Amino acid sequence: GESVGLHLPTLSVQEGDNSIINCAYSNSASDYFIWYKQESGKGPQFIIDIRSNMDKRQGQRVTVLLNKTVKHLSLQIAATQPGDSAVYFCAENRGSGGYQKVTFGTGTKLQVIP
Amino acid sequence: ETGVTQTPRHLVMGMTNKKSLKCEQHLGHNAMYWYKQSAKKPLELMFVYNFKEQTENNSVPSRFSPECPNSSHLFLHLHTLQPEDSALYLCASSQGEWGTGELFFGEGSRLTVL
Repeated sequence: GESVGLHLPTLSVQEGDNSIINCAYSNSASDYFIWYKQESGKGPQFIIDIRSNMDKRQGQRVTVLLNKTVKHLSLQIAATQPGDSAVYFCAENRGSGGYQKVTFGTGTKLQVIP
Repeated sequence: ETGVTQTPRHLVMGMTNKKSLKCEQHLGHNAMYWYKQSAKKPLELMFVYNFKEQTENNSVPSRFSPECPNSSHLFLHLHTLQPEDSALYLCASSQGEWGTGELFFGEGSRLTVL
């Protein structure tokens, strides 16, 4: 079936380095792709989204890249900090008619090494 | 604080018990959601309510019964559960119109079925 998924279950990064978390998707009809962060003991938190007609979007210390040709999505975190340690999910929104229908991938756990 | 509050945070119940999970949002959103999060599996969308009307039921077993008395409150009534129903149950809310897929999650209710 159509889905989003992540390439690696765990990623370890040295503090101060840049992190890149990758994701593949299969549904070409998805209009929005989203990244969520889930810290231990908390619910997922929205980080950034990108619409399918865009290739790149930047936020504060984060950049999302979308390659529709190969159906690939990535999240780049600049100057990774200990507070970035969490599980990161890519997701797609297929909602219509007044609500969001968000489908999540399996998640990548980012471990920041001090 | 995300503006979405879930109670209880932890719940242990036997297979013959009846219990309820509660979710309250203070964000003025019109749509509310129940997601199930099991270990090593993607978040699974269970139910969606938009303006108090159920708009999604993703083939959830009838032992899970949602209730949405108003746009700010959402319940998940549990009865005759199975051990495999043990999971983190997450409530979320969003703006009523379709958009980027930004959901606001509570911290979840950790359910253990004995």
